[in-house]
Amino acid sequence: EDQVTQSPEALRLQEGESSSLNCSYTVSGLRGLFWYRQDPGKGPEFLFTLYSAGEEKEKERLKATLTKKESFLHITAPKPEDSATYLCAVQALLGAGGTSYGKLTFGQGTILTVHP
Amino acid sequence: NAGVTQTPKFRVLKTGQSMTLLCAQDMNHEYMYWYRQDPGMGLRLIHYSVGEGTTAKGEVPDGYNVSRLKKQNFLLGLESAAPSQTSVYFCASSTRTYGELFFGEGSRLTVL
Repeated sequence: EDQVTQSPEALRLQEGESSSLNCSYTVSGLRGLFWYRQDPGKGPEFLFTLYSAGEEKEKERLKATLTKKESFLHITAPKPEDSATYLCAVQALLGAGGTSYGKLTFGQGTILTVHP
Repeated sequence: NAGVTQTPKFRVLKTGQSMTLLCAQDMNHEYMYWYRQDPGMGLRLIHYSVGEGTTAKGEVPDGYNVSRLKKQNFLLGLESAAPSQTSVYFCASSTRTYGELFFGEGSRLTVL
């Protein structure tokens, strides 16, 4: 069974204090790993897709990396507006589990709070 | 550009009542999904559709039905609501099976 575990559950940072969020996963045939950002009362918003170990992607203060077992979301010099819940999801290859779509398994998320 | 629109945004039901959540997307996406989000559980797939006129069960389909009569709309129905169906429901769409999902803003349902 595909599993995604995110840690920590919650992270409180001071503005400018860099840190990382972890996403550990097991999946039967990884097609891609997704990172989403979710603001309170809103739907998840797509950030990155990573496809293979060693791949990195950056967007402003965020950088996502991928290994064969986990992904990290590095936040450099965060600002209060980076406060949100960050969700990780793994996508299995088409047909996994008898599905007719690329099955996504989401983690529970990490709640990030950045204080000014 | 509206993207994915869900209605209603909030609803309170009594046990045993029925209701329908409507999802509309204006991006001409083939794939549409209904998820529920509960504290500590992550997003869980209820039903999905790979095209107009098709639907399939996700991880937690019991107690829900769906229809995709038009490509742009995906309806989620609860025939007899139960307190366990209290949740936030998200509709999403994607252009292809391996594409990123675009989510609506959610519909918060409370069943008393």
